[in-house]
Amino acid sequence: DTEVTQTPKHLVMGMTNKKSLKCEQHMGHRAMYWYKQKAKKPPELMFVYSYEKLSINESVPSRFSPECPNSSLLNLHLHALQPEDSALYLCASSQDTAVTYEQYFGPGTRLTVT
Amino acid sequence: EDQVTQSPEALRLQEGESSSLNCSYTVSGLRGLFWYRQDPGKGPEFLFTLYSAGEEKEKERLKATLTKKESFLHITAPKPEDSATYLCALRDFNKFYFGSGTKLNVKP
Repeated sequence: DTEVTQTPKHLVMGMTNKKSLKCEQHMGHRAMYWYKQKAKKPPELMFVYSYEKLSINESVPSRFSPECPNSSLLNLHLHALQPEDSALYLCASSQDTAVTYEQYFGPGTRLTVT
Repeated sequence: EDQVTQSPEALRLQEGESSSLNCSYTVSGLRGLFWYRQDPGKGPEFLFTLYSAGEEKEKERLKATLTKKESFLHITAPKPEDSATYLCALRDFNKFYFGSGTKLNVKP
C-alpha cells in the first residue's frame, strides 16, 4: 500500500479563520513533507519532518504552522491567510530523507482563501 | 544549485503515436532522478526512479532512460488515458527539484 491520505479535499476559508489540513500515511515512512502547488507550476517544498522533528522550513510565513503528532500524521495549521495562499496543498512521505528514496504524494487539499 | 529542465512544455499526440519527453539536468553528482505523473487537481503519482547512466525502467507503455545529462520518458502507442502532466525531479538532501513538467494530450 503506497497511499497517503489528505483531508479535507476542498477548503474555503476567510482571511480571519483558523483551519487545519491533515495528512496520514501507514507505510512506516519516517519523513513527511508539505508542498504548495499553484496552477500550472511544479510543487514547491514548504516543510520537511524527519522522525517527527521539523528538519526544514523553506522560509514559510508564520501563518502556516506544521505539526507532526506521530510518525503517521502530519498537520498544517492555517491562520490569517491571504488570497495569494490559495493553492493545492500536497502532503508526501518517503522512507526517510535519504536522497535515493522516492516520495509518495497524497491527493492534495484545494484551498481557497476569500 | 541543481537545475532540472523539461521539454517540450506541451505535447499533443494522436492515439498510437509514440514520442519521448525530455528531462535535462545539471548536478554535481546524480543522486536519483524521479518521474511522476500528475492529473489535474491531484497529487503526483510516482512512476520511476533512475540512479545511474544507462539505467532503464519500464511500466506498461512507459519507458524511462537515463544518460549523464538527461532522462527520457518514452511513450509507446499512447492512449487517451495517458494524458497528464509528467514531472521529473532530482533529490538533493531533503529537497526535490521539480522540472516544470510536460503536459501530454493524447487525442483518440
